[in-house]
Amino acid sequence: SSELTQDPAVSVALGQTVRITCQGDSLRSNYASWFQQKTGQAPVLVIYGKDKRPSGIPDRFSGSSSGNTASLTITGAQAEDEADYYCNSRDSSGNHFVFGTGTQVTVL
Amino acid sequence: QVQLQESGPGLVKSSETLSLTCTISGASINGYYWTWIRQPPGKGLEWIGYFYYAGTTNYNPSLKGRLAISADTSKNQFSLILTSVTPADTAVYYCARGRYFEWFQSDYWGQGMLVTVSS
Repeated sequence: SSELTQDPAVSVALGQTVRITCQGDSLRSNYASWFQQKTGQAPVLVIYGKDKRPSGIPDRFSGSSSGNTASLTITGAQAEDEADYYCNSRDSSGNHFVFGTGTQVTVL
Repeated sequence: QVQLQESGPGLVKSSETLSLTCTISGASINGYYWTWIRQPPGKGLEWIGYFYYAGTTNYNPSLKGRLAISADTSKNQFSLILTSVTPADTAVYYCARGRYFEWFQSDYWGQGMLVTVSS
């Protein structure tokens, strides 16, 4: 089982804001990255580090961290944001890496 | 343009060895971490491990002992070998280029390849 725990599913109304969380002890001392995966496609990096976006990722995606929780916020969710989202960071040993359990985001 | 392409047998028998290759085009192996990730059907992502161009590797502890990741710079490829497979190793296997900090940060992924382990 993953050492990074996410809510299995969340929903958000079109244009509203949704926060996806990732919890784990390793997050007390490590930042996370976030990946978006649409059905049948390879994951895409959307946020990394403290709050950085790769080129081409809309600024409605943002990241934050507090205590043992990393968060991905989508401000003004669009229909194309409907996807699975995974966090990633170091495991509890600090020597390896792990993905979170994943959150399915539905845009209503 | 950087492209990654996984290749290998799509069907492997239990107890045998799974071998996959990721062919890199548009980039050199130098300077990056070359990573394998897998995803069982209908489930989440699992980090398998990486080969760093300088020669070091890092493997998921749950797979250590069965896993080897290596690279062939002359062919611009890197490979995954997983021994003693079981049906639990059935998954879409992705290769990816990236860097590691406190997190895994990737910019290019292969399209993924389904490998089925038959019992």
